[in-house]
Amino acid sequence: TQLLEQSPQFLSIQEGENLTVYCNSSSVFSSLQWYRQEPGEGPVLLVTVVTGGEVKKLKRLTFQFGDARKDSSLHITAAQPGDTGLYLCAGVGGSNYKLTFGKGTLLTVNP
Amino acid sequence: SQTIHQWPATLVQPVGSPLSLECTVEGTSNPNLYWYRQAAGRGLQLLFYSVGIGQISSEVPQNLSASRPQDRQFILSSKKLLLSDSGFYLCAIATGLKSPLHFGNGTRLTVT
Repeated sequence: TQLLEQSPQFLSIQEGENLTVYCNSSSVFSSLQWYRQEPGEGPVLLVTVVTGGEVKKLKRLTFQFGDARKDSSLHITAAQPGDTGLYLCAGVGGSNYKLTFGKGTLLTVNP
Repeated sequence: SQTIHQWPATLVQPVGSPLSLECTVEGTSNPNLYWYRQAAGRGLQLLFYSVGIGQISSEVPQNLSASRPQDRQFILSSKKLLLSDSGFYLCAIATGLKSPLHFGNGTRLTVT
């Protein structure tokens, strides 16, 4: 069974601070997706990373896929209250391309 | 663009009552369809997925069932709800097995 561990589970910061959240596994994934979920809504895809070592930027968000494709990180620069939400990573792996979700990092950005 | 309709948005049901949640999709054909459950606002548990009409794969043994009577309709059912069935139920679609998921806005189910 492939597992994805996300850390930290909870993060509360002030507006303007930088932060990094992590998504780690002992398994190799063919690709990894990051989602953000706001209360009462479904998760929304932020990015997909496919190549080991890949870095993708989405405005103030920087996503990195580990060289061995076992881990990923999300870095947010100058966090804003609108960044508040549950950040989920999900890996695609296995012969049936099953998607495995981590339990998420709940981020609160205080004004 | 793809649109997912899930209803109802919230539901309160007594233990032992039946359940039927419906998900319909617009803007795509022959999608892969998924039912996920999320407890306490955290990680998603895959319940069922379907790659075509009448094709259902179950991921977790439980008292829930799913059906796909039409290409863009996915139904989650139960004959008798348990307290442990409470949670946030999300329908999702994908264009392929490796494709990212597009989620509906979910149904909050509380079993009392």
